[in-house]
Amino acid sequence: GQNIDQPTEMTATEGAIVQINCTYQTSGFNGLFWYQQHAGEAPTFLSYNVLDGLEEKGRFSSFLSRSKGYSYLLLKELQMKDSASYLCAVMDSNYQLIWGAGTKLIIKP
Amino acid sequence: SQTIHQWPATLVQPVGSPLSLECTVEGTSNPNLYWYRQAAGRGLQLLFYSVGIGQISSEVPQNLSASRPQDRQFILSSKKLLLSDSGFYLCAWSRREGDTGELFFGEGSRLTVL
Repeated sequence: GQNIDQPTEMTATEGAIVQINCTYQTSGFNGLFWYQQHAGEAPTFLSYNVLDGLEEKGRFSSFLSRSKGYSYLLLKELQMKDSASYLCAVMDSNYQLIWGAGTKLIIKP
Repeated sequence: SQTIHQWPATLVQPVGSPLSLECTVEGTSNPNLYWYRQAAGRGLQLLFYSVGIGQISSEVPQNLSASRPQDRQFILSSKKLLLSDSGFYLCAWSRREGDTGELFFGEGSRLTVL
């Protein structure tokens, strides 16, 4: 079966750095997405990786290793507004998105 | 620019009552359209997707149905709601071709079945 694993919850301090990991086992691979979802709201797109390596976008970076079936989302200079759930999703060989359950990130002052 | 709207935002329905959630997309044509359900602590579950008018693919057998009467309109329905239908429903669209497949989500509809 297809599976996406990410931690259920993480806690970090304002101003610090946090890394959210995602491992996946899917039938084929056509890219990996990270979305941010604030409580009660819809997910919004953060990043997309299809090749190995690091993609940087401001305070957020996303890394992919296809051989290891692994990705992480790195958030720097954490702000209180970064408190949200972060969803990892992989597009399989049929171009369908397989979603992880999300990681709830709690930022403390 | 493209926008997506879905409504109603919140609804409370008794078991056995019907359901209709509507979603419309503006500013693009021929989008792929999706209905997802999100239960607490679980990943997004794809319910239906559509690549064109009248073309609906169902991912999970259930008492829900979807219709696409117009290119940019997607409707989720049920004739008789079950308690297990409670959840956060999300409509989304993606470009048909030439893109990563990124999804753009509507605001969401929170359904509580009592």
